[in-house]
Amino acid sequence: QSVVTQPPSMSGAPGQRVTISCTGSNSNIGANYDVHWYQHIPGTAPKLLISGNKNRPSGVPDRFSGSKSGTSASLAITGLQAADEADYYCQTFDISLNSVVFGGGTKLTVL
Amino acid sequence: EVQLLESGGKLVQPGGSLRLSCAASGFSFSTYVMTWVRQAPGKGLEWVSTVSGGGGSTFYADSVKGRFSISRDNSNDTLYLQMNSLKAEDTAVYFCAKGQRGYGDYMDYWGQGTLVTVSS
Repeated sequence: QSVVTQPPSMSGAPGQRVTISCTGSNSNIGANYDVHWYQHIPGTAPKLLISGNKNRPSGVPDRFSGSKSGTSASLAITGLQAADEADYYCQTFDISLNSVVFGGGTKLTVL
Repeated sequence: EVQLLESGGKLVQPGGSLRLSCAASGFSFSTYVMTWVRQAPGKGLEWVSTVSGGGGSTFYADSVKGRFSISRDNSNDTLYLQMNSLKAEDTAVYFCAKGQRGYGDYMDYWGQGTLVTVSS
């Protein structure tokens, strides 16, 4: 079990907005460590979506946005498209474990 | 263009050893932290190990500590993962990923992965 929790699955219709949560604790997100988000389509290389809580790398559409507050972070996707169907992971650092940690992942289905 | 190409994955018996490689190109390899991440069948991403740019500092997940060893050859832009005493639970796709300057930061480029299967 990961020390950072995500909902296992979420779904939305094309054009809708979905928000994926990433809940940690005072030894990781709450300890002021940045949260990063990745999109992974099985069989391909994971892709960085958001770095440093809210920064979009070049080429990532502005439909994707990140935020962080307290011991949690969120990834919002607006204008949902079929191509957004993938697994999404948050990643941070845990000072108690002294290790990189990933959330358990959220499988997003576009209805 | 940044490229990461993993190799070395195969079927190996429990207790066996394997060395994975990751050939990097398109960036100043020795400047950046490099990391191995794995994904077991039907499971999520799991951090395995990280090495500093110079190779002098290494970090491991508890699940592999004492069995796996990460290293890098900065003269050949190649990352390695030596895996010993392999267990069935090490079965996974192993990805190499380019980090930033510090341990624990984000990974901006990933390879396609190489499959390691541990089974008799």
